[in-house]
Amino acid sequence: DTGVSQDPRHKITKRGQNVTFRCDPISEHNRLYWYRQTLGQGPEFLTYFQNEAQLEKSRLLSDRFSAERPKGSFSTLEIQRTEQGDSAMYLCASSPWTSGSYEQYFGPGTRLTVT
Amino acid sequence: QKEVEQDPGPLSVPEGAIVSLNCTYSNSAFQYFMWYRQYSRKGPELLMYTYSSGNKEDGRFTAQVDKSSKYISLFIRDSQPSDSATYLCAMTPGNTPLVFGKGTRLSVIA
Repeated sequence: DTGVSQDPRHKITKRGQNVTFRCDPISEHNRLYWYRQTLGQGPEFLTYFQNEAQLEKSRLLSDRFSAERPKGSFSTLEIQRTEQGDSAMYLCASSPWTSGSYEQYFGPGTRLTVT
Repeated sequence: QKEVEQDPGPLSVPEGAIVSLNCTYSNSAFQYFMWYRQYSRKGPELLMYTYSSGNKEDGRFTAQVDKSSKYISLFIRDSQPSDSATYLCAMTPGNTPLVFGKGTRLSVIA
């Protein structure tokens, strides 16, 4: 049973560049979540999908951020025109989301540094 | 006031001690409660998952939920240096994303 995987694990980019992260959830998990975590803080919700449908986006998610989950399998998170304030750990989680099973399993994260 | 409050620590204990970690929350709609362990520069690892009030035990870990007080706890018995990590509480009404505390940094000294 493989867990949630994320790629890349680390990304260093210059301000103004675009970056894209990938998340592969646990197979057969319906829900996929993206969170952002900065130093000394807990993860903060960005957006989530049920299968291929994007159900909710946080106010944290500016227009420069976009996420997709084509065919309800892997997901990508793209940040356009990166800013130094985007530097953070980007975490992906998946959940079976059946009645009573709302636990979420996290991947190792993608650490983004914007210089 | 944040929805979930958690003392960030740091908390330092000797090996073998019983550790108590706590969170308080303000949203009475929260029904599902989780504790995660996060090592430095790694993703959170799910330790405990509980529904509503009560206790749940798994090995050296016990999770308690008191919904009347809006208070949850994680106890670690016989703590080990390998337990040194940041512990995050998280909760949800069920059909919405998790809301996390800031995390408590724990150090277990050999």
